[in-house]
Amino acid sequence: DIQMTQSPSSLSASVRDRVTITCRASQTIHINLNWYQQKPGKAPKLLIYAASSLQSGVPSRFSGSGSGTDFTLTISSLQPEDFATYYCQQTYSSPITFGQGTRLEIK
Amino acid sequence: QAQLVQSGAEVKKPGASVKVSCKASGYTFIGYYLHWVRQAPGQGLEWMGRINPNTGGTDYAQKFQGRVTMTRDTSISTASMELSRLRSDDTAVYYCATEVHPDHYFDPWGQGTLVTVSS
Repeated sequence: DIQMTQSPSSLSASVRDRVTITCRASQTIHINLNWYQQKPGKAPKLLIYAASSLQSGVPSRFSGSGSGTDFTLTISSLQPEDFATYYCQQTYSSPITFGQGTRLEIK
Repeated sequence: QAQLVQSGAEVKKPGASVKVSCKASGYTFIGYYLHWVRQAPGQGLEWMGRINPNTGGTDYAQKFQGRVTMTRDTSISTASMELSRLRSDDTAVYYCATEVHPDHYFDPWGQGTLVTVSS
């Protein structure tokens, strides 16, 4: 199985901060990497697919990069509604696996 | 727009089975794989498996092999996931999600179904 490791596990930041979350795969997954945002009591919401493609309707302050084993999600200027938990997901091979999540909290 | 609507919350005793349904609308049901993902309280996302609604073919995570059965009814655009021999650590929110090709991301997701296993 491909292990997905996110860092940090939690992060405190302020509105208008620039934030970066990293995700590392235990083997190459090319660009088969997606990012989701989840708020309490809600289903995950797709932000970024194929490592760097912004899902329709997602604000442009979200961006993704990387390929192979190392990936990043960047939020260029945090807004109040961005405080949530973020997950990476690899869909390169079965079983599909997720990172453990990064909880983004208000400082 | 594409939408998945899941069945309601369930409370089950240890050793029982639970069946969660997921009704698709707004897209061609048989054209996209349907996945099941669960989330235990305060924990992360765990993939359980997927079904090809066109053929009925399935791919289960090894952890759930022998306990999970995924089915579909194309006449009503509905997929179902049955988990048997329930244990307390199966208490979780269960989500269905559609896999979009060719980029293999999950969108949309169902609203989630809470399954509580308690004696």
